Amino acid sequence: GAVVSQHPSWVICKSGTSVKIECRSLDFQATTMFWYRQFPKQSLMLMATSNEGSKATYEQGVEKDKFLINHASLTLSTLTVTSAHPEDSSFYICSAEGLAGLQFFGPGTRLTVL
Amino acid sequence: QQQVKQSPQSLIVQKGGISIINCAYENTAFDYFPWYQQFPGKGPALLIAIRPDVSEKKEGRFTISFNKSAKQFSLHIMDSQPGDSATYFCAASSSNTGKLIFGQGTTLQVKP
Repeated sequence: GAVVSQHPSWVICKSGTSVKIECRSLDFQATTMFWYRQFPKQSLMLMATSNEGSKATYEQGVEKDKFLINHASLTLSTLTVTSAHPEDSSFYICSAEGLAGLQFFGPGTRLTVL
Repeated sequence: QQQVKQSPQSLIVQKGGISIINCAYENTAFDYFPWYQQFPGKGPALLIAIRPDVSEKKEGRFTISFNKSAKQFSLHIMDSQPGDSATYFCAASSSNTGKLIFGQGTTLQVKP
């Protein structure tokens, strides 16, 4: 139980294009999902908190217009990186909050912007 | 106040040995302290977690020791195996926000 999936697992895109990443909780409902970014050999940095049916809350320094988050249902949150540039290349990981506030992480999405 | 400091940055242990990773925090509002294991190219997986009402929790070969007064907690991996070679992250959160604050990570290598 408590499985979280992400799609795609990796994506390569040209600079200036937008990329959408999906995060799904497969066997539980998640009112809250979180989005993290991880650069090579570094820790996970929280980007935003996504609540079903309401606007996401972004961490300081994260551009809300660049990283669009939509949490349309209790099992799906999406992160869209708009007008991606090479510096946005990173490993993006989502987590979904289950029972007792435990967070379950997805497998991550590797984004490479050329 | 939001930082979680983790040490060491890297650790090499012989097979069968004990791996010890330490974390310290400042925010006294934190009330949940999980440890995650991450393999290259994968998302982190929850290993074990503790809340401040207990000083120790053991699950199999993994033990968390928690010192509330010192604001420190540690992960002990007993009988370390080569398959334990991974990056380990401690984290902390408060029930108010649910946001996890991660430590810097420790890369563990267990030599056969």
